[in-house]
Amino acid sequence: DIVMTQSPDSLAVSLGERATINCKSSQSVLYSSNNENYLAWYQQKPGQPPKVLFYWASTRKSGVPDRFSGSGSGTDFTLTISSLQAEDVAVYYCQQYYSTPYTFGQGTKLEIK
Amino acid sequence: EVQLVESGGGLVKPGGSLRLPCAASGFTFSNAWMNWVRQAPGKGLEWVGHIKSKTHGGTTEYAAPVKGRFTISRDDSKNTLYLQMSSLKTEDTAVYYCTAGRWFDPWGQGTLVTVSS
Repeated sequence: DIVMTQSPDSLAVSLGERATINCKSSQSVLYSSNNENYLAWYQQKPGQPPKVLFYWASTRKSGVPDRFSGSGSGTDFTLTISSLQAEDVAVYYCQQYYSTPYTFGQGTKLEIK
Repeated sequence: EVQLVESGGGLVKPGGSLRLPCAASGFTFSNAWMNWVRQAPGKGLEWVGHIKSKTHGGTTEYAAPVKGRFTISRDDSKNTLYLQMSSLKTEDTAVYYCTAGRWFDPWGQGTLVTVSS
């Protein structure tokens, strides 16, 4: 199984500041035949289901604000919020869909400082 | 509007069974790979399993903790996904979400399954 490890587990950032969440996979999720990283990012707010922010590691889902960006390749990925807004308070998860069992990181709880 | 609606959750005793339906609308359900994902109270997300579209063989795969106890099926004529759970354990207590695709989008609101005596 591919193990996904996020860091940090929790993060407190001031409004307007940058937030960075890292995700590392135990093996590469880059599929050589199409040069795509099989990595998605999700945001989950309290009492709500998760919603996808990025797929293929850096393709932003329509409607996601452009202050969110996804980057990385192979085994190391990053979700960045360039200027934190109050509505960004949530738990963020990375997930690999390279191979089954599909696996998630443990989650990173993002709060306002 | 793309929508997934789960139902069927509730309280069940250890060793019992439960079937969760998930009704889909707003997209071509028959073309979608469909998944179940669960979230234990206060915990993270865990993929339960998926069923591929019929054009991709309609096969199923499961996570190790549920393999042999849970069965995923689909009725494309009713745009409905199912999760049949048997031999339930207390550790199966969770909100169960259905979700579509290789990356998971959209998600239903979830249905709570509580396994307790």
